[in-house]
Amino acid sequence: QFQLVQSGAEVKKPGASVKVSCRTSGYPFIGFYIHWLRQAPGQGLEWMGWVNPKSGATNYAQKFQARVTMTRDTSIDTANMGLSNLRSDDTAVYFCARGGSAAIEEPTAVFDYWGQGALVTVSS
Amino acid sequence: DIVMTQSPDSLAVSLGERATISCKSSQSLLSSSNNRNYLAWYQQKPGHSPNLLIYWASTRESGVPDRFSGSGSGTDFTLTISSLQAEDVAVYYCQQYYTSPPTFGQGTKVEIK
Repeated sequence: QFQLVQSGAEVKKPGASVKVSCRTSGYPFIGFYIHWLRQAPGQGLEWMGWVNPKSGATNYAQKFQARVTMTRDTSIDTANMGLSNLRSDDTAVYFCARGGSAAIEEPTAVFDYWGQGALVTVSS
Repeated sequence: DIVMTQSPDSLAVSLGERATISCKSSQSLLSSSNNRNYLAWYQQKPGHSPNLLIYWASTRESGVPDRFSGSGSGTDFTLTISSLQAEDVAVYYCQQYYTSPPTFGQGTKVEIK
C-alpha cells in the first residue's frame, strides 16, 4: 500500500516561514520524484516544483523560485518543502504527490499518489 | 506556460446519465516522437486529495471504473462518465504534462440533477 503522509496544519504570521514534510512508505523512496502542489481555498491546483529523492536535484516553478526550498531525507523516506516570507495569499492546502521515475532526468509529471494535504494559514 | 481551459465550470446530470467535460490546451499536447498526448484527468472529492483517473489522454489508471473514459488529441480533450453514479460527485481537473510547469484546468464541478 503506497502512502504519503504529510505533517499537520500550520498557522503562521506574514513574513514567517513554514516547513511541510511528506513521509512515504510502501515503495522505494528514491525511485520516484516527489512534487509539491498547492490549492488555495475554493481554488484550483498549482504546481510548485519537484525534488528527485535519488539525486536531490530540484526544479521550482518560477513563481516560487526565490522563496521555496525542497529537500529530501533518504534515511527516513521523507521529502520536505519550505516556503519563506509568507503572505496572506499563501494560505492554502499544500500537497505532496509522487510523479515520474527518478531514474530519468525530467519527470513525467503524472501524479499517481498524493499526500492528504497540509493546511497552511497565514494570518496576522 | 500552457493554459488549460475546461468547460463547463459545472454541470448537473441525472443518475445513470452521461456526463461530458471538455478540456482545451493553448498548444498541442501531442508529441511527434512517441505519438502520445500528455494529458491527465483527476477527480477531487470534497475534503480529499485529487485522485488520478486517466493519463496519456485515454489510459485508465488501475482501479478506476470503466465508466470513466478519456478521448481527444492535440488541443481538444474530453472526459466522459458514461453512467453517473452518486459517488462521482466531485470536481474534475485536466492537467498537461507536455512541458514544465505542469498546469491544470480550472476544474469542473459535477453534481446530481
